[in-house]
Amino acid sequence: SQQGEEDPQALSIQEGENATMNCSYKTSINNLQWYRQNSGRGLVHLILIRSNEREKHSGRLRVTLDTSKKSSSLLITASRAADTASYFCATVYGAAGNKLTFGGGTRVLVKP
Amino acid sequence: ETGVTQTPRHLVMGMTNKKSLKCEQHLGHNAMYWYKQSAKKPLELMFVYSLEERVENNSVPSRFSPECPNSSHLFLHLHTLQPEDSALYLCASSQERGAGYGYTFGSGTRLTVV
Repeated sequence: SQQGEEDPQALSIQEGENATMNCSYKTSINNLQWYRQNSGRGLVHLILIRSNEREKHSGRLRVTLDTSKKSSSLLITASRAADTASYFCATVYGAAGNKLTFGGGTRVLVKP
Repeated sequence: ETGVTQTPRHLVMGMTNKKSLKCEQHLGHNAMYWYKQSAKKPLELMFVYSLEERVENNSVPSRFSPECPNSSHLFLHLHTLQPEDSALYLCASSQERGAGYGYTFGSGTRLTVV
């Protein structure tokens, strides 16, 4: 079954606003990763947060992880039209810590 | 370019054709992956190669046949596909198999089976 599920499925905001999307998962993880995909292209790795970390920043991105709730959030601050894309969370789990499973993604539209 | 190159970018093939997808990386990664992305479905992991050895096959039909001749190249051989196999096929690589490293993806091959 699907390990990660994003919420909302779609998000439309104005340029300059913040965008927040959430990811929930079902089993214990080793780490959680966020990726971006522009239409019909490959995925780009954005940020990785380990299970013993609670928050991480990278530029305009802020990721939080709550292992007790099995959830993560991705915040994009001061959004730009170029941020329009689909965003996926992916979890690494398993005894060997080497299975990467993706959620269904959140489609973000940033209107100029 | 991400460092992972996939060819061709687009492929249209009949159900009786045989074709191959190619993936190449020169990032020094030792694990490579094939994913399938269909409309309205999450990415599906198809195959995993670690140090040129297939370590995972997620119940993929035999009409898909992977090949990893060396750590830099990965192929997906296709034969007698079905229209439902139309999808974006993504190749990825990582420094280690999953674990604490992000994956680097290619731009994908958009496959249409007619």
